[in-house]
Amino acid sequence: GDSVTQMEGPVTLSEEAFLTINCTYTATGYPSLFWYVQYPGEGLQLLLKATKADDKGSNKGFEATYRKETTSFHLEKGSVQVSDSAVYFCALPSGTNAGKSTFGDGTTLTVKP
Amino acid sequence: NAGVTQTPKFRILKIGQSMTLQCAQDMNHNYMYWYRQDPGMGLKLIYYSVGAGITDKGEVPNGYNVSRSTTEDFPLRLELAAPSQTSVYFCASGDRGNSPLHFGNGTRLTVT
Repeated sequence: GDSVTQMEGPVTLSEEAFLTINCTYTATGYPSLFWYVQYPGEGLQLLLKATKADDKGSNKGFEATYRKETTSFHLEKGSVQVSDSAVYFCALPSGTNAGKSTFGDGTTLTVKP
Repeated sequence: NAGVTQTPKFRILKIGQSMTLQCAQDMNHNYMYWYRQDPGMGLKLIYYSVGAGITDKGEVPNGYNVSRSTTEDFPLRLELAAPSQTSVYFCASGDRGNSPLHFGNGTRLTVT
């Protein structure tokens, strides 16, 4: 079945450091891929998405490229800020029902000033 | 832009009590879901619905029930609360199978 393997955390960085959070997936076909972010005390919200192979999703300085050769969708940001401290989830929707999305376990990022 | 609204935000229950977690969305989405998130863990799907009158079990349905009488509302019922149900509950909605989900801000439930 579908699965998502996400880099374990927690991750602690200093402000302006480079961020990479790894995500690999196993799925039938070429589904869309999502990154969600959860700020403290809030629900998850979509950070970025890619709908087909070689697509690059981007938002708020974050980027992720859908690479079918390596079945990966790594999240990157060139210079993190304290306000980026949150939990990040990689997610793989099913083909017909996004509610049965497969989520990674989440990576907690803490950015220190 | 209310999106997905969950009530209450916090609740403390005693073992054996019952309660209903409310969820409403104003985006006319057909798909709605309930997840639970335990500390430091990912999301586990409890129940989901693909439209009014249709519900189905997710990964961890035991101890819960749902109903979907309207497109907008998807309440989650806990009967005979147990300490294992202490968690944060999230409701989410989506408009079609491959689209991203919209989440509420969660209900933090403690059962003691």
